[in-house]
Amino acid sequence: QVQLVQSGTEMKKPGASVKVSCKASGYNFIGYYLHWVRQAPGQGLEWMGWINPNSGATTYAQKFEDWVTMTRDRSITTAYMEVSSLKSDDTAVYYCARGRDPTPHFDYWGQGTLVTVSS
Amino acid sequence: QSALTQPASVSGSPGRSITISCTGTSSDVGGYDYVSWYQQHPGKAPKLIIYDVSNRPSGVSDRFSASKSGNTASLTISGLQAEDEADYYCISYTSTTTLVFGPGTKVTVL
Repeated sequence: QVQLVQSGTEMKKPGASVKVSCKASGYNFIGYYLHWVRQAPGQGLEWMGWINPNSGATTYAQKFEDWVTMTRDRSITTAYMEVSSLKSDDTAVYYCARGRDPTPHFDYWGQGTLVTVSS
Repeated sequence: QSALTQPASVSGSPGRSITISCTGTSSDVGGYDYVSWYQQHPGKAPKLIIYDVSNRPSGVSDRFSASKSGNTASLTISGLQAEDEADYYCISYTSTTTLVFGPGTKVTVL
């Protein structure tokens, strides 16, 4: 069965970086895009970007272009999303989601990773 | 600030129908047939309930239907049930090849 298993809760200080992983299983890893979505406490969903695991190509929401990096390791069917220069308002649950392509069709989601940024 | 607009809340009695709107521009909702809707219960990951404007994934109740007219997409929940109480988000493909979520609508079953 399709599964996306994310890394565990992180607590970081302002200015640090965090790298969240998303281990995919149960399907052809390179056949689907992986999107990243975050949700601050009590707030709505925010689309961050996608990575094409086959080519490694990425597209980011303009807001995240300069401080978010999405990568993948095809050998272990895992995608990564790194946020640098963390601020307190980056505190959120970060989700990976499988997409058929760059369109907003996310059929499977990871369980979410809580990242807390606090001094 | 979201580029799409949704009502903050919608409520309805069990068995009735409600409609949630999602308004964008010709650069997103109006320009592409790539609007999806997600249902999110508290503490859970979102669930895809509509894709490509009006298509339902396998396993999603046919009480959920959706459409689009111009720059506004709409989600209708018919025969409202207690389990439908959740947050609902629209999301659209945009002319910059990115995606954008609406701010979300809280549905309350009275």
